[in-house]
Amino acid sequence: DTGVSQDPRHKITKRGQNVTFRCDPISEHNRLYWYRQTLGQGPEFLTYFQNEAQLEKSRLLSDRFSAERPKGSFSTLEIQRTEQGDSAMYLCASSPRAAGSSGNTIYFGEGSWLTVV
Amino acid sequence: KNQVEQSPQSLIILEGKNCTLQCNYTVSPFSNLRWYKQDTGRGPVSLTIMTFSENTKSNGRYTATLDADTKQSSLHITASQLSDSASYICVVSAMTGGGADGLTFGKGTHLIIQP
Repeated sequence: DTGVSQDPRHKITKRGQNVTFRCDPISEHNRLYWYRQTLGQGPEFLTYFQNEAQLEKSRLLSDRFSAERPKGSFSTLEIQRTEQGDSAMYLCASSPRAAGSSGNTIYFGEGSWLTVV
Repeated sequence: KNQVEQSPQSLIILEGKNCTLQCNYTVSPFSNLRWYKQDTGRGPVSLTIMTFSENTKSNGRYTATLDADTKQSSLHITASQLSDSASYICVVSAMTGGGADGLTFGKGTHLIIQP
């Protein structure tokens, strides 16, 4: 396993621009999660996928946010018309099965830092 | 509402000392509890995962305990090292999934080890 890979690691963008983050989960992990994390806080849930199906979207995911996992492998998270409040670390995680499954480890990527200026 | 509360919010100890971090939860029905270590600017890394039937699990100098009756967990760090400086996050899963795939995150305890 090469781990969960996220790209880019850092992104600085001007307010109003669009940004896209990519996540490559561990091979054959069918669950993929996106979280947002700000300094001093725990990760906040955004959305998750079971293979290519997006099973849930948080109310935090406004209509400026969209996530896809077209072939059930990598995923993208796009933020349109960025705002300063979008500045945060965006974390991706994957697991082989549902979070509640016994002994199931959820693996996180290193995160993508977004700064909106 | 499912909640995970961690204490203390932050902690400073001297290198070589032991410490214990607390996690209280109200997640139901309970499935498992995970502790993660998150270095500044990095993604969380799994330390331990415990199910209902497990009341202790170790990973090197880290030992997690679980009391499913009182819905409390602790993470004990023995003989702390400078590299233990990080945030420690408690994550609890509900058995039947639900919102966010049943995962509830604590806000973490920020631990600083001083030389």
